[in-house]
Amino acid sequence: AQKITQTQPGMFVQEKEAVTLDCTYDTSDQSYGLFWYKQPSSGEMIFLIYQGSYDEQNATEGRYSLNFQKARKSANLVISASQLGDSAMYFCAMREANTGNQFYFGTGTSLTVIP
Amino acid sequence: EAQVTQNPRYLITVTGKKLTVTCSQNMNHEYMSWYRQDPGLGLRQIYYSMNVEVTDKGDVPEGYKVSRKEKRNFPLILESPSPNQTSLYFCASTPSIYNSPLHFGNGTRLTVT
Repeated sequence: AQKITQTQPGMFVQEKEAVTLDCTYDTSDQSYGLFWYKQPSSGEMIFLIYQGSYDEQNATEGRYSLNFQKARKSANLVISASQLGDSAMYFCAMREANTGNQFYFGTGTSLTVIP
Repeated sequence: EAQVTQNPRYLITVTGKKLTVTCSQNMNHEYMSWYRQDPGLGLRQIYYSMNVEVTDKGDVPEGYKVSRKEKRNFPLILESPSPNQTSLYFCASTPSIYNSPLHFGNGTRLTVT
């Protein structure tokens, strides 16, 4: 089974609108971390935001927030007030504390911001 | 500046010619790992290392070797590259604790003809 599932290969959003990128995960571990990365067309991987499994509040970093629903095993990234520079690939990732030392990545979502 | 440095950025080679992609980090991180990125498949872990002399296979280790003789370096070795290893490769590092994000190098685009 896939550890991380991103079901939206491509998304479009109007500039200044908000957009939600979906991510669901699969783990039996109680302790885990969830991460979102951005990959612009230049290719580098940029860390955006982190959510711990025991964090009670949703993580926020500037225009990025994480909609964490533990019971549903989802960790959706919300980008508010989209900008043209947000056009990129976005990857969701997970690391389990107890069962593994691997990071698991989803297949990514390509976001295009339309002016 | 804290960074992960991998070299080369671009590499074109022929089938069977051994190559090494270097990776070095200056953050004293215990954990280092290699990934390959292919369209539609996301990032897949090749090998990882929890510390010096400790390495383990990820999801796609076939055709690759690694070594961790020093904490800062984690080279990726392709003993006999094949065209299906044409990909974008990333090295990354992080402290051991599970809630730390990976710090990535800038990537190596490898083409095997």
